[in-house]
Amino acid sequence: GQNIDQPTEMTATEGAIVQINCTYQTSGFNGLFWYQQHAGEAPTFLSYNVLDGLEEKGRFSSFLSRSKGYSYLLLKELQMKDSASYLCAVRDQTGANNLFFGTGTRLTVIP
Amino acid sequence: DADVTQTPRNRITKTGKRIMLECSQTKGHDRMYWYRQDPGLGLRLIYYSFDVKDINKGEISDGYSVSRQAQAKFSLSLESAIPNQTALYFCATSDPGNTGELFFGEGSRLTVL
Repeated sequence: GQNIDQPTEMTATEGAIVQINCTYQTSGFNGLFWYQQHAGEAPTFLSYNVLDGLEEKGRFSSFLSRSKGYSYLLLKELQMKDSASYLCAVRDQTGANNLFFGTGTRLTVIP
Repeated sequence: DADVTQTPRNRITKTGKRIMLECSQTKGHDRMYWYRQDPGLGLRLIYYSFDVKDINKGEISDGYSVSRQAQAKFSLSLESAIPNQTALYFCATSDPGNTGELFFGEGSRLTVL
């Protein structure tokens, strides 16, 4: 089975840096995804990690440590539009390779 | 136009009614999924299909059925809706040849009274 944990809520200031953590326990691991979801909208893909290390994409970076079952999403130079939920998802290693989602972290960016 | 389109976007119905949510995609992906999202529970997989003749149960398939009428279409049915099926439903597609990321539709908000 899968167990994915991330904080429920976070608040950060415009222009600052925020790190959203995700820990997971899975029976098989085949990649970790981060999605952004604005209220009432569809999740949109942010990043994918399958090997250990940091993946950088503009203001967003994602880190993975497979041995620790740990990932984080780093958002730099926060903007008000970054207020959203951030979903951590793990892909299992069974034949289906389905994604299993955490409950999401709701980030509020304040002026 | 959206690559993954869901209809209806909002629906209010009564307990016991049959409801169908439809999904169509123009991405050309073979893999399609139905998820539901509830506050505090995250996205949970209901059913998935890897091609027209393939239907698989997800984590929470009880009370639901699906039909994959064509590569581009995947519909979700609630045969007899109950209030705890009130949720936001998402259809998604994926291409396993790439990262396998999911591409989501805009969502269908269902309220069962």
